[in-house]
Amino acid sequence: GENVEQHPSTLSVQEGDSAVIKCTYSDSASNYFPWYKQELGKRPQLIIDIRSNVGEKKDQRIAVTLNKTAKHFSLHITETQPEDSAVYFCAASKGGNKLVFGAGTILRVKS
Amino acid sequence: GAGVSQSPRYKVAKRGQDVALRCDPISGHVSLFWYQQALGQGPEFLTYFQNEAQLDKSGLPSDRFFAERPEGSVSTLKIQRTQQEDSAVYLCASSSLQGYSNYGYTFGSGTRLTVV
Repeated sequence: GENVEQHPSTLSVQEGDSAVIKCTYSDSASNYFPWYKQELGKRPQLIIDIRSNVGEKKDQRIAVTLNKTAKHFSLHITETQPEDSAVYFCAASKGGNKLVFGAGTILRVKS
Repeated sequence: GAGVSQSPRYKVAKRGQDVALRCDPISGHVSLFWYQQALGQGPEFLTYFQNEAQLDKSGLPSDRFFAERPEGSVSTLKIQRTQQEDSAVYLCASSSLQGYSNYGYTFGSGTRLTVV
């Protein structure tokens, strides 16, 4: 089955700097890769997703890149703000029918 | 409704007790998922419904776990004879089916189950 690894497990950045979180997946048939943000005690919220027919997608300060050959995808957050502090999870699946999540990255943005 | 609603928000059960967790998905969403999230970890898939049909239950950890969605809307996850390792947050998510795919799940706030 699918296996997703996520790095780093914790990331501290200064406000205004960029943050990058990387994930690798094992199943070459996976074609859908969402990213979720989860604040303490709250529900995971979808922040961006990408399908395997594109290599990059951007939404304001957030972007995701996908390398199908190497089977890895990354989340890029630019101009980080304190409210970006949260746990971020990547996931992989075939058509979104059963997401396999990474272990999460705790992002701390220091002001 | 406006979002996925789960109840109760918190549940404390004595070991051996049966529990039932409820999920009310977004109105009109065909697909419904249950995930289990242990402390400090990512969610893990439990089961998937398309309308009332349970299409995938490969993630249910044991036969003590049972889920149903009899009318294709509200779903209940039941755990019999709870054990301490069942302590976790149980997340429900719903999605509108696009062909054979589910993109952009919306998660509920979860039920935090503590077994003592």
